[in-house]
Amino acid sequence: GDSVTQTEGLVTLTEGLPVMLNCTYQTIYSNPFLFWYVQHLNESPRLLLKSFTDNKRTEHQGFHATLHKSSSSFHLQKSSAQLSDSALYYCALRGSALGRLHFGAGTQLIVIP
Amino acid sequence: GGIITQTPKFLIGQEGQKLTLKCQQNFNHDTMYWYRQDSGKGLRLIYYSITENDLQKGDLSEGYDASREKKSSFSLTVTSAQKNEMAVFLCASSIRGSAETLYFGSGTRLTVL
Repeated sequence: GDSVTQTEGLVTLTEGLPVMLNCTYQTIYSNPFLFWYVQHLNESPRLLLKSFTDNKRTEHQGFHATLHKSSSSFHLQKSSAQLSDSALYYCALRGSALGRLHFGAGTQLIVIP
Repeated sequence: GGIITQTPKFLIGQEGQKLTLKCQQNFNHDTMYWYRQDSGKGLRLIYYSITENDLQKGDLSEGYDASREKKSSFSLTVTSAQKNEMAVFLCASSIRGSAETLYFGSGTRLTVL
């Protein structure tokens, strides 16, 4: 079945350094939909960005990700971490158009001064 | 904009007790979901409902029942609370479709004594 792997459970960064959170997926479907959700402390998860186009960069609020079907990856990046980026980040996959969403285990990002 | 309201915010139960969590949305969304959030395990789908009168099991449905009373409401029942169980239950809704965004409620935090 469909699955999502986020290899890092916890990432700690110094403010100003680049962010890269890994996400890889498995699906039998050829046109998957990939999402990043972010959850700040004491808040609900909310959509950060999404993509279903191969090799096209998607950007929102300073973050960007590119869906690479060849490597089944959808890594989240930002050029310079801010303290306010500290949050829990979930990668999610919908393999088929009417399929359900599958979430990864999440990566806790902590940005320190 | 709309809102998803989950009640109660905090729920304390006894071992073996049957407990019900409620969720209401005013987005007029077709699809509603119940997720369980545990640290390090991501968001695990318990039940979802694609449209009114529909009910689908997720990965974690054992020990739970759900009911889609009408389009705007979706309830989750813990059939027999487990001692020392602690988790956050998140309700979400979305328009039916491949790239739809999930909108989450603020959660119900369950503690079983």
